[in-house]
Amino acid sequence: QSALTQPASVSGSPGQSITISCTGTTSDIGNYNLVSWYQQHPGKAPKLIIYEGNKRPSGVSNRFSGSKSGNTASLTISGLQADDESDYYCCSYAGSLWVFGGGTKLTVL
Amino acid sequence: EVQLVQSGAEVKKPGESLKISCKGSGYSFSTYWIGWVRQMPGKGLEWMGIIYPGDSDTRYSPSFQGQVTISVDKSISTAYLQWSSLKASDTAMYYCVRPQPVTWGQGTLVTVSS
Repeated sequence: QSALTQPASVSGSPGQSITISCTGTTSDIGNYNLVSWYQQHPGKAPKLIIYEGNKRPSGVSNRFSGSKSGNTASLTISGLQADDESDYYCCSYAGSLWVFGGGTKLTVL
Repeated sequence: EVQLVQSGAEVKKPGESLKISCKGSGYSFSTYWIGWVRQMPGKGLEWMGIIYPGDSDTRYSPSFQGQVTISVDKSISTAYLQWSSLKASDTAMYYCVRPQPVTWGQGTLVTVSS
């Protein structure tokens, strides 16, 4: 299994929307609806924000949304807030194991 | 409440062995896969491997095959991650994770230093 591909960094201004992509293959993202997204602030454990592609756990803001097209999953954050500045990771089931993306650092300008 | 509670931080010397644990509660431990995720200092998340407690079927990510051992004692709802000979490069935070439905342990910091 190879790591999923994410952009190293993205940025946006408060109030704007941003999208983080996560590209895999037909062996992972393209074949399963089991993509999750995590937010990780420095020194903290990862926090689940999207599971099964587009579902939000209880308590997660509806400003976070997930989608998929082919072998690429995407996380969109609308109405950017200062506290959204963090690292974001995608994760997908890959048939017998799971695989993460390399992570994306979101900077709120 | 579903919980995964991990053992405490460890400080070890290179060459020593180590076994860290992850105890599940609040769900049927034997019927859900559980695995381990590594995060080296300042780096990303990496799946190490996963085990099915019901029959101990274990899968390792290629990078970790032969480097660690994942095991489970379903009688006490506990999963383990084990090293036979630690290296400085094993210094990291290790999380146990039930991938479906998602549940994470709080993490165990392993520091390997002479």
